[in-house]
Amino acid sequence: DAGVIQSPRHEVTEMGQEVTLRCKPISGHNSLFWYRQTMMRGLELLIYFNNNVPIDDSGMPEDRFSAKMPNASFSTLKIQPSEPRDSAVYFCASSPSGGAQETQYFGPGTRLLVL
Amino acid sequence: DQQVKQNSPSLSVQEGRISILNCDYTNSMFDYFLWYKKYPAEGPTFLISISSIKDKNEDGRFTVFLNKSAKHLSLHIVPSQPGDSAVYFCAASAGSNYQLIWGAGTKLIIKP
Repeated sequence: DAGVIQSPRHEVTEMGQEVTLRCKPISGHNSLFWYRQTMMRGLELLIYFNNNVPIDDSGMPEDRFSAKMPNASFSTLKIQPSEPRDSAVYFCASSPSGGAQETQYFGPGTRLLVL
Repeated sequence: DQQVKQNSPSLSVQEGRISILNCDYTNSMFDYFLWYKKYPAEGPTFLISISSIKDKNEDGRFTVFLNKSAKHLSLHIVPSQPGDSAVYFCAASAGSNYQLIWGAGTKLIIKP
């Protein structure tokens, strides 16, 4: 199994531009998580999908952030317009069913720099 | 309000010795705890977990101890190896809640 796949691995953009991050979860996993890691706030959950449906988006910082999961094998996290404070590493993770005591499997992350 | 705290940002240990990483929590509803390991430019990977019904779980060189009365858990690595150099995250969950609450991480450096 290839594990969780994220693209791009690195993204440098200018303030105001739209950024789209992509994630392919592990095949057969029904739950998908988007996280953001910063020095100041550590690892934060942004949004959680189960069976392609957003269950909890309370961690999404503001309306500039949106996430979709059109099918079981693909999800996107979009930032529009991007701001310098969005610079962070964004991780996608998946788990078999999203249960409380399930291991989450992380992708390698996308390092975003907004200038 | 940090519910999961890892107070040591970094730890340096001689190869072959024991590494002890600590984690404290404040929420008494937490009943499942995990340790993840992260190398640079990679995502965190699951290492070991423990349920609140136990006070110890062992997997090879890795042992996690849970002290519920003190709201404290620790990860012991023995013997420490160079490949153990990484950032270690402690995480916790409560009941049926899928959400993991993460500590800030401790960077472990194993010296040859």
